[in-house]
Amino acid sequence: GEQVEQLPSSLIVQEGASVLINCSYTDSASVYFPWYKQEPGKRLQFIIDIRSNMERKQNQRLTLLFDKKTKHLSLHITATQPGDSAIYFCSATNSGTYQRFGTGTKLQVVP
Amino acid sequence: GGIITQTPKFLIGQEGQKLTLKCQQNFNHDTMYWYRQDSGKGLRLIYYSITENDLQKGDLSEGYDASREKKSSFSLTVTSAQKNEMAVFLCASRTGRSAETLYFGSGTRLTVL
Repeated sequence: GEQVEQLPSSLIVQEGASVLINCSYTDSASVYFPWYKQEPGKRLQFIIDIRSNMERKQNQRLTLLFDKKTKHLSLHITATQPGDSAIYFCSATNSGTYQRFGTGTKLQVVP
Repeated sequence: GGIITQTPKFLIGQEGQKLTLKCQQNFNHDTMYWYRQDSGKGLRLIYYSITENDLQKGDLSEGYDASREKKSSFSLTVTSAQKNEMAVFLCASRTGRSAETLYFGSGTRLTVL
């Protein structure tokens, strides 16, 4: 079945820096890739997604890049703020019924 | 807007005990999920249900049962709690259309003594 890997597992950056979170998947039938964020003590919430017919998607300070050939995604967060501190999860689905999640990246933004 | 409510928020059990976690959603979503979240392992799917009375096993279904008697509710039973087990169980839902995002509950934190 689908395997979703995420790196790094954690990172600490200074406020204002940019970060890159990498995600790779194995199932070439996967076509939809939503990302979620889990702030401390809060529920997971959707932040950005991309479909396999796209290469790039931007939502304010978030940019998601997709390479179908290498089965790789990158989430780029610019101008980080302490409020960006959270665990970020990538996921993949083949438009079937459920999403498989990566292991998560814990981001800590320090002032 | 809708919400997913999970009860209880915290659950403490004894080894071998049967424990039930509940989830309610008022989105009128068709599909509901139970994921287990362990530190460093991400979210792993236990069970899902695409409609009332439907149950589908996920990657981690052994040791669990599930029930979807109403569209709005989905319960998960730990059939025999394992000593020193600690995890967070997350309920989620989405509409019946394919490739839609998930909405999550706030989780049930399980501790087994």
